[in-house]
Amino acid sequence: DAGVIQSPRHEVTEMGQEVTLRCKPISGHDYLFWYRQTMMRGLELLIYFNNNVPIDDSGMPEDRFSAKMPNASFSTLKIQPSEPRDSAVYFCASSFIGDLEQYFGPGTRLTVT
Amino acid sequence: AQKITQTQPGMFVQEKEAVTLDCTYDTSDPSYGLFWYKQPSSGEMIFLIYQGSYDQQNATEGRYSLNFQKARKSANLVISASQLGDSAMYFCAMREVNSGYSTLTFGKGTMLLVSP
Repeated sequence: DAGVIQSPRHEVTEMGQEVTLRCKPISGHDYLFWYRQTMMRGLELLIYFNNNVPIDDSGMPEDRFSAKMPNASFSTLKIQPSEPRDSAVYFCASSFIGDLEQYFGPGTRLTVT
Repeated sequence: AQKITQTQPGMFVQEKEAVTLDCTYDTSDPSYGLFWYKQPSSGEMIFLIYQGSYDQQNATEGRYSLNFQKARKSANLVISASQLGDSAMYFCAMREVNSGYSTLTFGKGTMLLVSP
């Protein structure tokens, strides 16, 4: 199994631009999570899906952030427009209902200048 | 109030020695799980060990063990015989039933440096 796949691994963009982060969960997993990691705030859950349906998006910081999961094998996190304070590492994780742990992707390091 | 507290921003240990990383948690949920993850400098999050709130024995995984003291709400990670490759950030996390038993709440982490 290839594990959770995230793309791109690094993204540098200018303030005001749209940014789209992508995630492919482990096949068969029915939960998908998006986290953001910063020095100041640590690891924060942004949103999670169960069977492609968003369950809790209370961690999404602003309306500039949106996430979709059109099918079981793909999810996107979009920031529009991006701001310098959005600079962080964004992790996608997936799990199966019977699993104890969440399996994390390698993360996308986003820099907004 | 923070749900997961890791009071040690950084820890130093010599190779081959044991080290304990502290974690306390706050929950009113009778059913929960506690996790430790390792994040090396390369950035990935690596699952290390899990302890369920109803588990009678402390969890162990190779050189990792979890010192679970339920009454004190602590779940310290013990790494025996430290290796240079153990240098990394370590995160304690909790999953509560009331949150749907799906989401993890993470502590701020402890940076561990292992010296030769």
